Amino acid sequence: AQSVAQPEDQVNVAEGNPLTVKCTYSVSGNPYLFWYVQYPNRGLQFLLKYITGDNLVKGSYGFEAEFNKSQTSFHLKKPSALVSDSALYFCAVSGNQAGTALIFGKGTTLSVSS
Amino acid sequence: DTAVSQTPKYLVTQMGNDKSIKCEQNLGHDTMYWYKQDSKKFLKIMFSYNNKELIINETVPNRFSPKSPDKAHLNLHINSLELGDSAVYFCASSQDGRRGDIQYFGAGTRLSVL
Repeated sequence: AQSVAQPEDQVNVAEGNPLTVKCTYSVSGNPYLFWYVQYPNRGLQFLLKYITGDNLVKGSYGFEAEFNKSQTSFHLKKPSALVSDSALYFCAVSGNQAGTALIFGKGTTLSVSS
Repeated sequence: DTAVSQTPKYLVTQMGNDKSIKCEQNLGHDTMYWYKQDSKKFLKIMFSYNNKELIINETVPNRFSPKSPDKAHLNLHINSLELGDSAVYFCASSQDGRRGDIQYFGAGTRLSVL
């Protein structure tokens, strides 16, 4: 069965510092991985995805993620955090079945302090 | 112009009532989804439709019945509401429902059952 794990409930960083939000995955076959962000009382917004190709994926709002097959990880990163980056971040993997529902991790709350 | 829109945004009702949530997408996508986000922010797929046909029906009680009158709409009807149905329900859509498709989410409907 496909699954993703986000080991941290919360990540705290100071504005201007680099941030990392961790995600590991367990899939059969090639992984199709996603990062979404949820701001308070809002829907989920797509940040980036990995399907194949370059292990470093660049996405929206200056975020990037590094796919590491040997460590089965897909960590989200940003070189310099902004207070406005504070939100709930979800890692997800695409299921194998028809309709390809996303299977989400439990989410990580990112808090950026000024 | 909102890509995926849900109505209502908030829904407060008594146990035992029947209620519906509507979802519309103007992206021309073929596949639509319903996800449930519980009080711990955990997201789980409920249903997936591709071009008006049911593709995924995760172990959801029979009290939940999705209806897709056309591929731009996927409504969710819930009978005999229970306290445990309180959650945020998200509608989403994707181009073809294939692995790797980006899913676009609505803003969510917060259902409170009293």
